[in-house]
Amino acid sequence: GAGVSQSPRYKVAKRGQDVALRCDPISGHVSLFWYQQALGQGPEFLTYFQNEAQLDKSGLPSDRFFAERPEGSVSTLKIQRTQQEDSAVYLCASSPSPGGLGVTQYFGPGTRLLVL
Amino acid sequence: AQSVTQLDSHVSVSEGTPVLLRCNYSSSYSPSLFWYVQHPNKGLQLLLKYTSAATLVKGINGFEAEFKKSETSFHLTKPSAHMSDAAEYFCVGGTGRRALTFGSGTRLQVQP
Repeated sequence: GAGVSQSPRYKVAKRGQDVALRCDPISGHVSLFWYQQALGQGPEFLTYFQNEAQLDKSGLPSDRFFAERPEGSVSTLKIQRTQQEDSAVYLCASSPSPGGLGVTQYFGPGTRLLVL
Repeated sequence: AQSVTQLDSHVSVSEGTPVLLRCNYSSSYSPSLFWYVQHPNKGLQLLLKYTSAATLVKGINGFEAEFKKSETSFHLTKPSAHMSDAAEYFCVGGTGRRALTFGSGTRLQVQP
């Protein structure tokens, strides 16, 4: 009965480095979401997958951000040429169904990224 | 578009006294609404959710929330605060498969 897991839990990067953040959703969950939570703020949507299809990437802040879920399970969020403003906690969530009102999302513990 | 507004960034109560965390929503259609709690270094945990089945929603750990359409509110309450309730609370709106919309959060402090 494992929940959503994320790795690494903490990442320190120098400005300009590329980083990759991993999300393992709950087994069998169809939907997967990425959120960005800046310090003192609520999470904000980045992107959404239904199985392997990226159906919504409207929240990605720039073309330096890229996400994939090639086999419909594990997902990776990649940030290229990191900037200081990318420092935040990156949250992954999954849900068991493609949609429908009131579907609950289950969140992982997040990856805290600090860009120096 | 849907948005949620949490009216208080910080709330401080004494242990054993009632808790009230306020949330207003705006939506052009019937929303689904949630309250999530976030303890330090832990993932967001669902407290309760509203999906139009009943206006008074009971959640975990003694929390409940009442959906009031006339006031566009979804306030979170608990009759008696425990020290373990100290955390960040988020009022969240949802529209099905689309992403959740989070309020800015309310930090609850519980004084002994």
